[in-house]
Amino acid sequence: GENVEQHPSTLSVQEGDSAVIKCTYSDSASNYFPWYKQELGKGPQLIIDIRSNVGEKKDQRIAVTLNKTAKHFSLHITETQPEDSAVYFCAATYGNQFYFGTGTSLTVIP
Amino acid sequence: EAGVVQSPRYKIIEKKQPVAFWCNPISGHNTLYWYLQNLGQGPELLIRYENEEAVDDSQLPKDRFSAERLKGVDSTLKIQPAELGDSAVYLCASSLGAGDTDTQYFGPGTRLTVL
Repeated sequence: GENVEQHPSTLSVQEGDSAVIKCTYSDSASNYFPWYKQELGKGPQLIIDIRSNVGEKKDQRIAVTLNKTAKHFSLHITETQPEDSAVYFCAATYGNQFYFGTGTSLTVIP
Repeated sequence: EAGVVQSPRYKIIEKKQPVAFWCNPISGHNTLYWYLQNLGQGPELLIRYENEEAVDDSQLPKDRFSAERLKGVDSTLKIQPAELGDSAVYLCASSLGAGDTDTQYFGPGTRLTVL
């Protein structure tokens, strides 16, 4: 199966600063990498995803980069706002199954 | 469009009691997933359905857990009997297809507490 590692486990930033969360995966056959945001008491919500034939994808303040050679991908949030505070999970798919990282608790300090 | 619906949202039971969770996926989504999420961890797959067929249940503890999706739409996950270690959030997700790149959409989850 696939093994996904996620760092850091906690991250605090000042409002307006950028936040970066990094994930590595083990199996080079993985080809889809979604990022989910989970707020307290809610299920994970997809915020951005990237497929293996793309190196970077951006959606307003959120971007994801993928390095297939190094088997790592990262989430970048710019101009952070207090409502960005949540737990973020990366995932990699292998064999029709999603493998999730252990999550990053992001706190944006006003 | 309605998202994935789960009920109940919270459940507190004593150990050795049975418990059941219900999920209604997004309309038209053929694939349904049940995940277990322990505190501070990412979701872990328990079972995946394609229509009414369970195609991956390798992580489901079959001695006490069971699931069904009889008409290929909504699904029920059951635990009997519950143990203290089953306390967790049970998430349901659905996707249009079953491919590697099919986006999964999650419900709000059921938080189970076993006393």
